Amino acid sequence: SQQGEEDPQALSIQEGENATMNCSYKTSINNLQWYRQNSGRGLVHLILIRSNEREKHSGRLRVTLDTSKKSSSLLITASRAADTASYFCAPTSHYGGATNKLIFGTGTLLAVQP
Amino acid sequence: DVKVTQSSRYLVKRTGEKVFLECVQDMDHENMFWYRQDPGLGLRLIYFSYDVKMKEKGDIPEGYSVSREKKERFSLILESASTNQTSMYLCATRGTVNNSPLHFGNGTRLTVT
Repeated sequence: SQQGEEDPQALSIQEGENATMNCSYKTSINNLQWYRQNSGRGLVHLILIRSNEREKHSGRLRVTLDTSKKSSSLLITASRAADTASYFCAPTSHYGGATNKLIFGTGTLLAVQP
Repeated sequence: DVKVTQSSRYLVKRTGEKVFLECVQDMDHENMFWYRQDPGLGLRLIYFSYDVKMKEKGDIPEGYSVSREKKERFSLILESASTNQTSMYLCATRGTVNNSPLHFGNGTRLTVT
């Protein structure tokens, strides 16, 4: 298992703007997952992108993956105040199967100002 | 929808007390995990279990133990609580399909005084 590193640590934008968060990792992966955490709550799974995919969409979310640069980005379009949360990436390595541990970094804290 | 229930949202204990944090899931998932989350340190894995009575150490198991007597319940035990174990504790479960996501409970904020 490996830890992803999110960047920036904090991001403040106005409602309606787009928010972009980045994730870097060190070794080859099987897939990469993004999670959201509202203040004082558990993490919620947002989207998974496999290593053979380059882009994936889910509603206002767009995730890209560049395995040559070992990086991923999460774009939230037309942000809303309710998007205010911390966002985490979790790269999953090829080995370990379903018991593969997910290791999380410190996340990006997104604040969307109304 | 998967439901992961942590028995307490907030808990205050004294140094030296034995503390039990309970986690129950309703989706028959084999894999269960305990994390702690601290400002600036992110989530750190304490212990995980991939089957009943099976457990494996995570990255920071010192000062903790776990119990998995039934598939749906995974308990985290602080044998003798210390102030540096004040933290947010998060339980998570995961199915057996290789790319299945983690499902988290809402956390227990433990304060040790």
